[in-house]
Amino acid sequence: KAGVTQTPRYLIKTRGQQVTLSCSPISGHRSVSWYQQTPGQGLQFLFEYFSETQRNKGNFPGRFSGRQFSNSRSEMNVSTLELGDSALYLCASSRLSRDTQYFGPGTRLTVL
Amino acid sequence: SQELEQSPQSLIVQEGKNLTINCTSSKTLYGLYWYKQKYGEGLIFLMMLQKGGEEKSHEKITAKLDEKKQQSSLHITASQPSHAGIYLCGADIGGSGNTGKLIFGQGTTLQVKP
Repeated sequence: KAGVTQTPRYLIKTRGQQVTLSCSPISGHRSVSWYQQTPGQGLQFLFEYFSETQRNKGNFPGRFSGRQFSNSRSEMNVSTLELGDSALYLCASSRLSRDTQYFGPGTRLTVL
Repeated sequence: SQELEQSPQSLIVQEGKNLTINCTSSKTLYGLYWYKQKYGEGLIFLMMLQKGGEEKSHEKITAKLDEKKQQSSLHITASQPSHAGIYLCGADIGGSGNTGKLIFGQGTTLQVKP
């Protein structure tokens, strides 16, 4: 089975812009979770989607949003980028919400 | 303070030596996951523990979850350079509102000297 894929792998944006990241889960997995990883805060949960519905959300501002499509692919969007949004964004998929999560390679976002 | 505390934060060992990484929580853990990460890359799933007292092994890596389900250890026997990386414990701390949400420790960076 193909693993979790994320596109793009690297992204450079400037403050104030918006960005959309994409995640394709493992075939048959219906849950997609997103995490932000920074040197200072570590790995933090952003949100989880299951069957196109957001099931859970972490403590991030409303500038961070996401969605999931009927084929379980997910996107996350960050609007009005700030320097502090520079991070590795990881998505993980699981068969069901409480199953083992398998991670993609991540998208490295740099905000200048 | 962190909900999951990992120790040590970093570790340098000589190839062939054994080592242990610990992961501690003040809350009951409903699922404890160990992952390995190469810097700047995604997380590779190693093992998952759910039951108190559970122990799992894969190749030279053994993970245990204590009876109270509040502490886990990851033990590597006869370390090799391929074991180098960042080890992260992640946990499901339960509750209906925590669906799909894992809390992670800060990670342990392991270097193995040939």
